[in-house]
Amino acid sequence: AQSVTQPDIHITVSEGASLELRCNYSYGATPYLFWYVQSPGQGLQLLLKYFSGDTLVQGIKGFEAEFKRSQSSFNLRKPSVHWSDAAEYFCAVGAQGFGNEKLTFGTGTRLTIIP
Amino acid sequence: DTGVSQNPRHKITKRGQNVTFRCDPISEHNRLYWYRQTLGQGPEFLTYFQNEAQLEKSRLLSDRFSAERPKGSFSTLEIQRTEQGDSAMYLCASSSSGATKGELFFGEGSRLTVL
Repeated sequence: AQSVTQPDIHITVSEGASLELRCNYSYGATPYLFWYVQSPGQGLQLLLKYFSGDTLVQGIKGFEAEFKRSQSSFNLRKPSVHWSDAAEYFCAVGAQGFGNEKLTFGTGTRLTIIP
Repeated sequence: DTGVSQNPRHKITKRGQNVTFRCDPISEHNRLYWYRQTLGQGPEFLTYFQNEAQLEKSRLLSDRFSAERPKGSFSTLEIQRTEQGDSAMYLCASSSSGATKGELFFGEGSRLTVL
């Protein structure tokens, strides 16, 4: 069965600083990988996804993530965070094929931005 | 495009009562998903529909839970004889099988509190 580990429950970053959120997955084949963001009172929004090809993927809001098969990781990065980036971030893995939106999510990382 | 709509946003009920949640997906989306999110956890897959057909149910979905999508448009999730352990956020998401793979559009969720 597939699984996702987000080792950091809470991260605090200064505005303007760089950010890296960690994600490790377990899946028997090449996974579909996603990062979603959840702001208070709002639904989850897709930031970016990886299916195949270039292992560095660009997403919305200036985020990027790198798929590293050897490390089973899909870490999310942003070079300079903004106060509006404060939210909960979820990494997710999906199976290839039909119904690949049946995602397995990690437990999330809460991001706090300090001035 | 008005997004995925869920009602009610918050439901407080006494243990043993029945509750029903409704989800209206994005109109052109043929796939609809239900997830459950408890405090401090990521969303967990419950079930999904392709048009009106319920194609998969998680083992998390006990026989007290039933989901329907009678005309392939809106969906309902009913919980019978609620228990305190059912307290959670119930998330609905939709997607189009012909569009961007793996991108789920989530509603804001329906929060259930069982007293």
